[in-house]
Amino acid sequence: DSGVTQTPKHLITATGQRVTLRCSPRSGDLSVYWYQQSLDQGLQFLIQYYNGEERAKGNILERFSAQQFPDLHSELNLSSLELGDSALYFCASSVSVENEKLFFGSGTQLSVL
Amino acid sequence: AQTVTQSQPEMSVQEAETVTLSCTYDTSESNYYLFWYKQPPSRQMILVIRQEAYKQQNATENRFSVNFQKAAKSFSLKISDSQLGDTAMYFCAFMIQKGGSEKLVFGKGTKLTVNP
Repeated sequence: DSGVTQTPKHLITATGQRVTLRCSPRSGDLSVYWYQQSLDQGLQFLIQYYNGEERAKGNILERFSAQQFPDLHSELNLSSLELGDSALYFCASSVSVENEKLFFGSGTQLSVL
Repeated sequence: AQTVTQSQPEMSVQEAETVTLSCTYDTSESNYYLFWYKQPPSRQMILVIRQEAYKQQNATENRFSVNFQKAAKSFSLKISDSQLGDTAMYFCAFMIQKGGSEKLVFGKGTKLTVNP
């Protein structure tokens, strides 16, 4: 168990809908990362937050947004969902920006039908 | 742009034997970290081993070791005494810390099957 909690584990929804994925980092970790894993794109970095502030952006679509709350949990919001958004979404956390050890949650499997 | 290439989509090995997974990367940075992550059927991403680019000594974690060739930008993973539980996808990744941000760049992965 990495200590990073992601909910829900599975999510099935329809095209055009909006969903929210939740991540609770390990106790004491200030930095949260979101990754998308799909068959065709592999593992893609989406976005990073540190202590509530956005630090880095990767290949995140404009339909997607994220935030990190004062209690350090993070949410990834996906809207106007398309079939191609079906993927495994990982959250990872680390102690600080300078700490290169990331601990991954078990992921949320999103299926858009 | 930073890229990671894993040229072996699939590999198999007999239990108790040794296998080496290949990885090459491309970056213009001089300071970075390299990682191997394992993803078993449970989908959990598990850190196997990491290497700091400024260290010449190859990292070792029990049965797992790396061959880091900085000039060649090569970072291979050797698994000794392979076990059935080693069956998984293995991802090579590297990270650059710059401007207060960092991100892991992953390769496409190598599917390793350990046969009894």
